[in-house]
Amino acid sequence: GQNIDQPTEMTATEGAIVQINCTYQTSGFNGLFWYQQHAGEAPTFLSYNVLDGLEEKGRFSSFLSRSKGYSYLLLKELQMKDSASYLCAVRATGYKLIFGSGTRLLVRP
Amino acid sequence: EAGVVQSPRYKIIEKKQPVAFWCNPISGHNTLYWYLQNLGQGPELLIRYENEEAVDDSQLPKDRFSAERLKGVDSTLKIQPAELGDSAVYLCASSPAFSGDLDTQYFGPGTRLTVL
Repeated sequence: GQNIDQPTEMTATEGAIVQINCTYQTSGFNGLFWYQQHAGEAPTFLSYNVLDGLEEKGRFSSFLSRSKGYSYLLLKELQMKDSASYLCAVRATGYKLIFGSGTRLLVRP
Repeated sequence: EAGVVQSPRYKIIEKKQPVAFWCNPISGHNTLYWYLQNLGQGPELLIRYENEEAVDDSQLPKDRFSAERLKGVDSTLKIQPAELGDSAVYLCASSPAFSGDLDTQYFGPGTRLTVL
């Protein structure tokens, strides 16, 4: 079966660093995506990993370990506007995108 | 560059009524997706189009849902008749192609459907 697990909610302080974990068990693996979704808005693409290691994009970094079925999204220098849901999605067999339920991040002053 | 456009943004109907959602993908994107997103959940794929061909509709409840993409550009998703459990956000996404790195999907703002 297909299973993607993320924490439901996280809280962090403005200016701090937060790590959002994602573990997955899917039939096939052809890459992992992270999306950000503000309430009532469209998911927006943040990052893509297909090989093991760390991908850095400004304040956001994403890590992948295929052997462990594990990824994390790292957000540095948190800003209030980073309060949103973060969706982990795996591209499984047939290139179908399977989404986790999302992690709701609340950034406090 | 214009993003994925969807309309309407909100729709409230009574159960057993029909409803339709429209999507215009990013220009040049051959692949179009319709997703359903329930509150507090991630999007779930309903149907995927490659140009005008529906290549994956395994998750579409075909007894009441239908979709079309006649000219390989914009698309319509229809529900007839709607049920209470259909209340959700219906997202449309598009991507340039369906393999490799070009498969990054870009989402529209969605249509929030409420069935009373």
